[in-house]
Amino acid sequence: GAGVSQSPRYKVAKRGQDVALRCDPISGHVSLFWYQQALGQGPEFLTYFQNEAQLDKSGLPSDRFFAERPEGSVSTLKIQRTQQEDSAVYLCASSLRPSEAFFGQGTRLTVV
Amino acid sequence: DQQVKQNSPSLSVQEGRISILNCDYTNSMFDYFLWYKKYPAEGPTFLISISSIKDKNEDGRFTVFLNKSAKHLSLHIVPSQPGDSAVYFCAASAIASGANNLFFGTGTRLTVIP
Repeated sequence: GAGVSQSPRYKVAKRGQDVALRCDPISGHVSLFWYQQALGQGPEFLTYFQNEAQLDKSGLPSDRFFAERPEGSVSTLKIQRTQQEDSAVYLCASSLRPSEAFFGQGTRLTVV
Repeated sequence: DQQVKQNSPSLSVQEGRISILNCDYTNSMFDYFLWYKKYPAEGPTFLISISSIKDKNEDGRFTVFLNKSAKHLSLHIVPSQPGDSAVYFCAASAIASGANNLFFGTGTRLTVIP
């Protein structure tokens, strides 16, 4: 497709379960970002990749969060031992330039 | 510490009138500003941007104004249309500093009344 694709769109996880969220960026986009958007808030930066290199992971809230982009294209955000406070929409964005990021539809994670 | 602030959570405007959405920022290193529009169950969609070397950028019905001394920017939509009803996010980046991520405000929900 022409846009950023994320899957699944919705995920319900039991507390303590591990989850994996997938992002397919726009073809050719070098930069890939993950953001977390809590209810009623704006997106907050989690991590940034340039090709396969994770250049910034300063926004990851704990060591339970892990992201990878092994071949410089598809990326996976993994959350281990999910907690209720992890419930949020997780947005992936890709860009050719730092100035304009194109977002996917997001994955809504609900931890019960 | 919220570096980008949108102090109005909501705004209602009559169709055909002007909508003005405001945004303030605290980080003087920010040099690029963007507005995103978000419909329910969709990701944010890029709307318009402005570099800190400019004070105005216009694209059709949308104009963004930047006041660097006041650390304030605004988005003007004229004339407003019912399809403009959405949540609008202001975002900022410090590109010259080598930063790549965006800092977002909390959003303003615009409702355009037919």
